[in-house]
Amino acid sequence: TQLLEQSPQFLSIQEGENLTVYCNSSSVFSSLQWYRQEPGEGPVLLVTVVTGGEVKKLKRLTFQFGDARKDSSLHITAAQPGDTGLYLCAGAGNTGGFKTIFGAGTRLFVKA
Amino acid sequence: EAGVAQSPRYKIIEKRQSVAFWCNPISGHATLYWYQQILGQGPKLLIQFQNNGVVDDSQLPKDRFSAERLKGVDSTLKIQPAKLEDSAVYLCASSPGTSGRSYEQYFGPGTRLTVT
Repeated sequence: TQLLEQSPQFLSIQEGENLTVYCNSSSVFSSLQWYRQEPGEGPVLLVTVVTGGEVKKLKRLTFQFGDARKDSSLHITAAQPGDTGLYLCAGAGNTGGFKTIFGAGTRLFVKA
Repeated sequence: EAGVAQSPRYKIIEKRQSVAFWCNPISGHATLYWYQQILGQGPKLLIQFQNNGVVDDSQLPKDRFSAERLKGVDSTLKIQPAKLEDSAVYLCASSPGTSGRSYEQYFGPGTRLTVT
């Protein structure tokens, strides 16, 4: 059974702090996506990483794909209340199929 | 570009009743997904269509859930009869295809189902 484990499950921090959340698996993925979901809405795509070791930046968010394409991290610098939400990683295109699997998510709350 | 449309947004039914959800994907997207998201959890794939063919329905409870995508565009997901544990948000997503960046999924707002 393929699993994507995200940690931590829940994170509450003060505005201005830095944080990192993790997405780990024993499976190799051809691509990995990060999404953010706000209450009452569907997930919104933030980034896709496809190459082992790849680093992508989106303003204060930095995404890294592990060298072996089994894990990923999301680092947020100087978090703001607007960053509050559920951060989901999704692995796609693993060996043998077209399946996409989602992790359970990290729920982030940034206090003003 | 119009996003993924879903209806209804909210539905409350009694257990053992039937319910249907509708999804209109982004124009031209070949792949359509239905997910179930229980409060506090990540989305769980129920069924994935490539055009109008089923790619994966391994986690669809086929004794009560059914889905179709006629003509490879719109899709409906039906639950009959509903159980209390079916209370969740049902998300529809679409993607251009199933390779490379085509895995990027675009989600609708979801339908929140409450079964009483």
